Amino acid sequence: AQKITQTQPGMFVQEKEAVTLDCTYDTSDQSYGLFWYKQPSSGEMIFLIYQGSYDEQNATEGRYSLNFQKARKSANLVISASQLGDSAMYFCAINLPIGTSYGKLTFGQGTILTVHP
Amino acid sequence: DTGVSQDPRHKITKRGQNVTFRCDPISEHNRLYWYRQTLGQGPEFLTYFQNEAQLEKSRLLSDRFSAERPKGSFSTLEIQRTEQGDSAMYLCASSLVPNNYGYTFGSGTRLTVV
Repeated sequence: AQKITQTQPGMFVQEKEAVTLDCTYDTSDQSYGLFWYKQPSSGEMIFLIYQGSYDEQNATEGRYSLNFQKARKSANLVISASQLGDSAMYFCAINLPIGTSYGKLTFGQGTILTVHP
Repeated sequence: DTGVSQDPRHKITKRGQNVTFRCDPISEHNRLYWYRQTLGQGPEFLTYFQNEAQLEKSRLLSDRFSAERPKGSFSTLEIQRTEQGDSAMYLCASSLVPNNYGYTFGSGTRLTVV
């Protein structure tokens, strides 16, 4: 079974600085997808970024980038130029192929990010 | 396309009562997922449907839980004889296979069992 580990319960960053949120995963599958979601206090899960296991380049989406190190099984999220609105819970997730498609997402425990002015 | 809708947003119920939640996915999405999230934890998978077929159920989905997606559109999650341990946020998500990255979540239903 796949597993996601986020070892940082909480992180603090100064506004306009960069921050890295750690994520490691455990799976014996060669094909998988890695995701990061943001969950503000309002509760909705907001998709941030996706990395496929066969993607050779690290994924980027605006201020978000995913530092994918396949051999180390890590998929860290880097947020550049932090903003006050980035304060939220962040979840790393993985999914695995089932037949010709992919199945459910398995989430980590989350990291609470607080951005200070 | 208004995204994934969940109803109600909040539900307070007495222990032992039955509750039912509804999820309306994005209309063209053929997959629908249910998750449960307790305070400070990541969402835990409960079950998912492809069209009207329920393809996988977690061990978390005890006999008191039942989910349906009768016409392959909206889904309901019913909890019978609620217990205090059922208090959680229940999240619904939908996706369109075979795309792998398009999981869209609803805002959730927060259940409080008193």
